[in-house]
Amino acid sequence: KAGVTQTPRYLIKTRGQQVTLSCSPISGHRSVSWYQQTPGQGLQFLFEYFSETQRNKGNFPGRFSGRQFSNSRSEMNVSTLELGDSALYLCASSFDSGTSGYEQYFGPGTRLTVT
Amino acid sequence: AQKITQTQPGMFVQEKEAVTLDCTYDTSDQSYGLFWYKQPSSGEMIFLIYQGSYDEQNATEGRYSLNFQKARKSANLVISASQLGDSAMYFCAMSSKAAGNKLTFGGGTRVLVKP
Repeated sequence: KAGVTQTPRYLIKTRGQQVTLSCSPISGHRSVSWYQQTPGQGLQFLFEYFSETQRNKGNFPGRFSGRQFSNSRSEMNVSTLELGDSALYLCASSFDSGTSGYEQYFGPGTRLTVT
Repeated sequence: AQKITQTQPGMFVQEKEAVTLDCTYDTSDQSYGLFWYKQPSSGEMIFLIYQGSYDEQNATEGRYSLNFQKARKSANLVISASQLGDSAMYFCAMSSKAAGNKLTFGGGTRVLVKP
């Protein structure tokens, strides 16, 4: 079974631009979560999508948004990029039948650099 | 609110020896899950082991075991017979029934295995 895939793997953008990152979950997984990892703040939860609906949201500004398609693929968008948005963005998928405790499997991440 | 604390920023371990990585957690939820992930320099988060709050037995997965002490709110990871490929960052994380699939991560412990 194929793992979680993320595209692109590396991205360089300039301040003020916007960016879209993509995540394809493991086949059969309906939950997709996004995390931001920076040296200063560590790993922080951005949001989770389940069956095309945002189910949970972290404490990030509205510049960060996402969506999920009917095939469970998810995209996240960051508008008006700031230098502080430079980070590794990780996507995780989970089977999730509705209770907690399901392992989340992460993709390789997208490393975003904002100059 | 949930909190994960990993007090060991970094440690060295001799090849073939066992190593224990500390993790303490704080939550008011009764139903929760504890996870350990490994992150090599490539950036991908690799799921290692899971322990549910109602599981009476400590979880084991190959060379990984989780020493779960509920009353002390600790969930230490034990890696037996360390290998050079175990050199990586290790993150303890938790989710809860209330938080759904949202993972709260600790700051991580960097392990370097010496030959």
